[in-house]
Amino acid sequence: KQEVTQIPAALSVPEGENLVLNCSFTDSAIYNLQWFRQDPGKGLTSLLLIQSSQREQTSGRLNASLDKSSGRSTLYIAASQPGDSATYLCAVGTGANSKLTFGKGITLSVRP
Amino acid sequence: GAVVSQHPSWVICKSGTSVKIECRSLDFQATTMFWYRQFPKQSLMLMATSNEGSKATYEQGVEKDKFLINHASLTLSTLTVTSAHPEDSSFYICSARDPGGGGYNSPLHFGNGTRLTVT
Repeated sequence: KQEVTQIPAALSVPEGENLVLNCSFTDSAIYNLQWFRQDPGKGLTSLLLIQSSQREQTSGRLNASLDKSSGRSTLYIAASQPGDSATYLCAVGTGANSKLTFGKGITLSVRP
Repeated sequence: GAVVSQHPSWVICKSGTSVKIECRSLDFQATTMFWYRQFPKQSLMLMATSNEGSKATYEQGVEKDKFLINHASLTLSTLTVTSAHPEDSSFYICSARDPGGGGYNSPLHFGNGTRLTVT
């Protein structure tokens, strides 16, 4: 059974700092890995999707990497801003329909 | 971009009543939609996979008679919580994958969720 872990559960940084969010998973037989952002009481916004054959994806100030063999992914956020404050969820797609298994998320707070 | 609309965004109901939640794909057809449940400070747990024109596939431990799923068209899936109890209070989120966006490697698009409170 796939398990996804995100540690720490919460993180507080000053504005402007570059930061890395970590994600690990137990079963390397994945189709893809996806990073999401969730604001309080809201649904999920897809940030980046990395296919199993890829090593990284970039979108603006975000860069996500994937090391499938070691079961790890990182989300790099450059020059963090208060508007980046949210919960960031990592999810891996496996099995039929590439169903997603989610981590518990990392709640990020960027202080002005 | 692809949009998934979920309605209602919140609902309060009395114990024993049923509640229906709708999930619509607004600009694409989705043969498959997914229903998740999220408890506070917990990860999203997949409840079931909704298949257009056929029965839903439920995850282990999810009561199919309690959580009725209907996927009657390519743009609409509904989740009905039957005979709701306070322990059913949770955040329910649906998602769909745009089939034209790369198969299993296209990103899942999520609705804004429904906050259900059963009193």
